[in-house]
Amino acid sequence: ELKVEQNPLFLSMQEGKNYTIYCNYSTTSDRLYWYRQDPGKSLESLFVLLSNGAVKQEGRLMASLDTKARLSTLHITAAVHDLSATYFCAVEGGSNYKLTFGKGTLLTVNP
Amino acid sequence: DTAVSQTPKYLVTQMGNDKSIKCEQNLGHDTMYWYKQDSKKFLKIMFSYNNKELIINETVPNRFSPKSPDKAHLNLHINSLELGDSAVYFCASSLTWATEAFFGQGTRLTVV
Repeated sequence: ELKVEQNPLFLSMQEGKNYTIYCNYSTTSDRLYWYRQDPGKSLESLFVLLSNGAVKQEGRLMASLDTKARLSTLHITAAVHDLSATYFCAVEGGSNYKLTFGKGTLLTVNP
Repeated sequence: DTAVSQTPKYLVTQMGNDKSIKCEQNLGHDTMYWYKQDSKKFLKIMFSYNNKELIINETVPNRFSPKSPDKAHLNLHINSLELGDSAVYFCASSLTWATEAFFGQGTRLTVV
């Protein structure tokens, strides 16, 4: 069974700082997704990573995928308060392409 | 226009009742899903339909029954509600299997 581990689960950082969220998964997969969820809201798709070495950037967020290490990272550059949210990675695996989510990282950016 | 819409947004009901949550997508997608998000925000897939055919049925109590009358709709009916069913239920859709999923706004179900 595919297991997805995110760390840290809680991240409090100051504005202007950089940090990385890690997503490890247990079995081979070529597709990984990052989602953002604001409190009480839906999940918003941030990145779709489809191959080894994929790197995508949007604003202050950059995601990468290393399928050999079974690791994805979400790097935050010069954080701002608006980035405060819960970030989930989700990995596709199995014969029915089921998405398995990590437990989420609650990011709080303090002024 | 909302891409994936669920109704109702909030649902408060007593134990033992039967309730339904409706979901519609106007994206022309073939695949639809139901996810459950518990109080710790953990998200787990419950069901997936592709072209009205059930393709994923996780270990969910059989009190939960999905119904897909057509590709654009996937409803969730829950019988004999229990306290532990309280959660946020998300509907989602994707173009087909193994593609990016788009989520509805969620239905917060509270069983009292």
